[in-house]
Amino acid sequence: DIQMTQSPSSLSASIGDRVTFTCRASQTINNYLNWYQQKPGKAPKLLIYAASSLQSGVPSRFSGSGSGTDFTLTISSLQPEDFATYYCQQTYSSLGTFGQGTALEIK
Amino acid sequence: EVQLVESGGGLVQPGGSLRLSCAASGFTFSSYSMNWVRQAPGKGLEWVSFISSRTNTMYYADSVKGRFTISRDNVNNSLYLQMNSLRAEDTAVYYCARGEYGSGSYYYWGQGTLVTVSS
Repeated sequence: DIQMTQSPSSLSASIGDRVTFTCRASQTINNYLNWYQQKPGKAPKLLIYAASSLQSGVPSRFSGSGSGTDFTLTISSLQPEDFATYYCQQTYSSLGTFGQGTALEIK
Repeated sequence: EVQLVESGGGLVQPGGSLRLSCAASGFTFSSYSMNWVRQAPGKGLEWVSFISSRTNTMYYADSVKGRFTISRDNVNNSLYLQMNSLRAEDTAVYYCARGEYGSGSYYYWGQGTLVTVSS
């Protein structure tokens, strides 16, 4: 099975900061990598699919990159509503494994 | 409008069984693969199970294999998860999610249903 590893597990940042999350797959997944944002008590929200495609309605400050095994999610300028937990997920195989998540906290 | 509404969660004793349902509307249910994802209290997301659009392919996480069964009714636009031999570690909010064409990503999610396994 494909394992997904996210780093860091938590991150403190300030409004206006540029932040980057990292996700690594245990084997190549081409570009079958998705990013989700989750706030407490809510279902996850799809931000990025196919590694770099911005889901409709998601602000352009979010961007994704990578291919193969290494991927990143970048928020160019943090806004108050961005503080949440972020998950990567591979859908290269139908066993849609998630990473363990990165909690983004206010500094 | 696409809607996914889970039901069937509740309190069950260890070793017991529960059947979750996910009622789908607003799209051609039979054309999409579907998934169950769970989240234990205070923990991350865990993919649980996948079923293809025409019901001929199912996959399970190792943690539930042999105990859970995914199924769907394309006439009544419903997805199911039969959960047997439940354990305390199965306690979680269970979400159903639609797999999108091409990327397989999950844009549409239900609101979740809580399953608590405790004596």
